[in-house]
Amino acid sequence: DAKTTQPPSMDCAEGRAANLPCNHSTISGNEYVYWYRQIHSQGPQYIIHGLKNNETNEMASLIITEDRKSSTLILPHATLRDTAVYYCIVRVSNDYKLSFGAGTTVTVRA
Amino acid sequence: NAGVTQTPKFQVLKTGQSMTLQCAQDMNHNSMYWYRQDPGMGLRLIYYSASEGTTDKGEVPNGYNVSRLNKREFSLRLESAAPSQTSVYFCASKPAQQYEQYFGPGTRLTVT
Repeated sequence: DAKTTQPPSMDCAEGRAANLPCNHSTISGNEYVYWYRQIHSQGPQYIIHGLKNNETNEMASLIITEDRKSSTLILPHATLRDTAVYYCIVRVSNDYKLSFGAGTTVTVRA
Repeated sequence: NAGVTQTPKFQVLKTGQSMTLQCAQDMNHNSMYWYRQDPGMGLRLIYYSASEGTTDKGEVPNGYNVSRLNKREFSLRLESAAPSQTSVYFCASKPAQQYEQYFGPGTRLTVT
């Protein structure tokens, strides 16, 4: 399984875009990139996933580099409620199991 | 639609005691999972059930057993609790042919 590397923490100003990087240099061609987040004491929440094209939904955008060795999760207008731990996970599409690393602790400041 | 529910929310056990953590989902999902999260760490998969009638070990299955009672319910049993099993336990479910897992609120277990 491809491993991921994320910065341990980052700060973001409220109302600004938050760009969360993730390195996955050993990713295989059939592995997807997933992002989840965990707000303090709650269960994780799915955000978005992608294979090689950029993806956007109501929560965020996912930008995957052409060589697929890294990706960036973009929260377009961060709010205080976006303060959470964000996990970047790489998995094949039919693999039922998720493996969560330490993630990035994002703190949105007013 | 309650989503994924877990009982109890909190539990304190003495070493050697047994207990069962309950999980239920009302979304008609095929797959269900049990994870544990130790302080300051990410979640680790204990057991999962890809579909009703099947269960498989995850990353850290030792000391646990599971039962997929029916499509809705997936329970996790600690036969002889140890202090190393002090953790927050999360249950999750996933619909067939989709990628997103839905998590419950967690059970906070302390073993003294």
